[in-house]
Amino acid sequence: QKEVEQNSGPLSVPEGAIASLNCTYSDRGSQSFFWYRQYSGKSPELIMFIYSNGDKEDGRFTAQLNKASQYVSLLIRDSQPSDSATYLCAVNWRGTYKYIFGTGTRLKVLA
Amino acid sequence: NAGVTQTPKFQVLKTGQSMTLQCAQDMNHNSMYWYRQDPGMGLRLIYYSASEGTTDKGEVPNGYNVSRLNKREFSLRLESAAPSQTSVYFCASSEGTGLGSPLHFGNGTRLTVT
Repeated sequence: QKEVEQNSGPLSVPEGAIASLNCTYSDRGSQSFFWYRQYSGKSPELIMFIYSNGDKEDGRFTAQLNKASQYVSLLIRDSQPSDSATYLCAVNWRGTYKYIFGTGTRLKVLA
Repeated sequence: NAGVTQTPKFQVLKTGQSMTLQCAQDMNHNSMYWYRQDPGMGLRLIYYSASEGTTDKGEVPNGYNVSRLNKREFSLRLESAAPSQTSVYFCASSEGTGLGSPLHFGNGTRLTVT
C-alpha cells in the first residue's frame, strides 16, 4: 500500500482557471507536508510547506491540510502555461529523516 | 548562493565500473540525503546523513555507499555499477531540526549503466 497517493493525471485546466491537486497519506504520524514542482528533466523545487490544519497561502498558491481526513491539497489560482509541470506531494514522519513522496500529478495548463 | 550542487550532470557507465557522485551544499544545513528517481516509482531514499559524522541507510541502499566528508559535502559511491542503477540521482539537504524542515534538491545526475 502506497503511503502517499496522488492521481497521476494529466490534469488539464485552461489558462486563468484554478488547478486543484490532491494528495492522501496513510501514516497518522506524519507532521509536515510539502509540495514540490518538477519540470521535465529538472529537479524538484519547493513550492509550499504546511504543518497545521487549515489553509496556507503564498501568492497564487494555497496549501490545505486536513489531518483528520489525511489529505493535503494544493490550489493554483490564475493558472499559467508556465505552471505546467509535475507536482510532487511529500510528507515527513515525526520530524525524522523519513520523507515519503508521491509519484506526482502532471498538470497541463492550456493557453 | 548556489544551494545544493551536484556533479556530474550526466554519466554513462559500463556494468561493473565504479563512480562517485559528489554533492555540496552552502546553506549550512545539518542533514543531507541521496535519492533516486525512477519512472512510476517516485523518489526513493538511498542513504541519508542526519548530521556531520553520521550516515544511515534509507529505503534502497544496496549497491551504494556514502561518505559525509564534512558538513557541506556528501558523496554517493557505486562500487560495481549494474543496469538496475540506471536512474536520476538527486542530492538534497535540510536544516534537520524540529518538525521536518523542507528538502532542497540539487540539479540531479542522470546515470546510465549499460
